[in-house]
Amino acid sequence: DVKVTQSSRYLVKRTGEKVFLECVQDMDHENMFWYRQDPGLGLRLIYFSYDVKMKEKGDIPEGYSVSREKKERFSLILESASTNQTSMYLCASSYYNEQFFGPGTRLTVL
Amino acid sequence: DAKTTQPPSMDCAEGRAANLPCNHSTISGNEYVYWYRQIHSQGPQYIIHGLKNNETNEMASLIITEDRKSSTLILPHATLRDTAVYYCIVRRGAENDYKLSFGAGTTVTVRA
Repeated sequence: DVKVTQSSRYLVKRTGEKVFLECVQDMDHENMFWYRQDPGLGLRLIYFSYDVKMKEKGDIPEGYSVSREKKERFSLILESASTNQTSMYLCASSYYNEQFFGPGTRLTVL
Repeated sequence: DAKTTQPPSMDCAEGRAANLPCNHSTISGNEYVYWYRQIHSQGPQYIIHGLKNNETNEMASLIITEDRKSSTLILPHATLRDTAVYYCIVRRGAENDYKLSFGAGTTVTVRA
């Protein structure tokens, strides 16, 4: 079975902190994605990557950056966390038609 | 990508078939219909997808109308574990274009 793991299920950070959210997949997938999910807004795409060292902006990239140094790992970085970045963050990977999602990280920024 | 319209919620009796409608009247010829679901506190899970023919797998059946402007996801024998938010998504089938746009979905509650 494809497995997508995320470094933490719950995370609490303070305003202004630099935050790293890590995502690892074990199926050698080319494509990886970061979404955030908020009540009433559904899932929104932040960034995605089609290959190592490659990244593309999604629908809401402001305030975020990403890093993909290895094929299996895709990191989401909040350079200076703000309270409006409190959300559920979901990572996914895909080979072709199907995206496989991790369990999510619920981030709270105080 | 074409926009989809789904009812916000629906109830279903355990053991009965659940029929989830989706309208996508602006779908274009190279766009696929995808269904995902999200059980509470989990990430979304792929269910099925199709272009114009009806599709069936171990989880569900997908019926797409001939004009492709709407589709129905059928869960043949709903169980309590099928309680989830179901998302209908239309996506281009272009190579290297695997972005998904999730709407609000339909909250399905299966009752005993």
